[in-house]
Amino acid sequence: GNSVTQMEGPVTLSEEAFLTINCTYTATGYPSLFWYVQYPGEGLQLLLKATKADDKGSNKGFEATYRKETTSFHLEKGSVQVSDSAVYFCALRGDTGFQKLVFGTGTRLLVSP
Amino acid sequence: NAGVTQTPKFRILKIGQSMTLQCAQDMNHNYMYWYRQDPGMGLKLIYYSVGAGITDKGEVPNGYNVSRSTTEDFPLRLELAAPSQTSVYFCASSYSGRGGRSPDTQYFGPGTRLTVL
Repeated sequence: GNSVTQMEGPVTLSEEAFLTINCTYTATGYPSLFWYVQYPGEGLQLLLKATKADDKGSNKGFEATYRKETTSFHLEKGSVQVSDSAVYFCALRGDTGFQKLVFGTGTRLLVSP
Repeated sequence: NAGVTQTPKFRILKIGQSMTLQCAQDMNHNYMYWYRQDPGMGLKLIYYSVGAGITDKGEVPNGYNVSRSTTEDFPLRLELAAPSQTSVYFCASSYSGRGGRSPDTQYFGPGTRLTVL
């Protein structure tokens, strides 16, 4: 079945550092890929998504590129801020009919001033 | 638009008690979902609904029941609470157009933190 693997956290960075959170997936066909963010005490919010190979999703300075050849969707940001501290979830959804979202286990990011 | 709302925010139950977690959305979404999030884990799908009157089991349905009498509301019922049901519960909704297309982006509520002692 479909699955998502994320790097374990926490990831601890200083403000303005470069961020990469790795995400790889296993799925048949052409799934859609997502990054969700969960700020403390809140629900998940969609950060970005990509629906086909080589698509780049971007939002709030975050980017991720759908790489079918490496089955990856790594999240990157050039300069993190303290306000980016949160838990980030990679997720995928299959491409036929109703397909549930399959989530990774989440990666906690801690950014210090 | 309030989006997806959930009540209560927090609840403590004793073993064997029952309760209903409420979820409502005002975006006219046809799909609604219930997830649970255990510490250090991703979200697991409990139940989902593709429209009023239609519900189906997700990955972890045991111990829960749902109903969908209206497009807006999707309550989750715990009949006999057990410590294993201590978790954070999230409701979500999304829209799928005609033709069996996979539903679009899911929007999540703020969650209900449930503790069963």
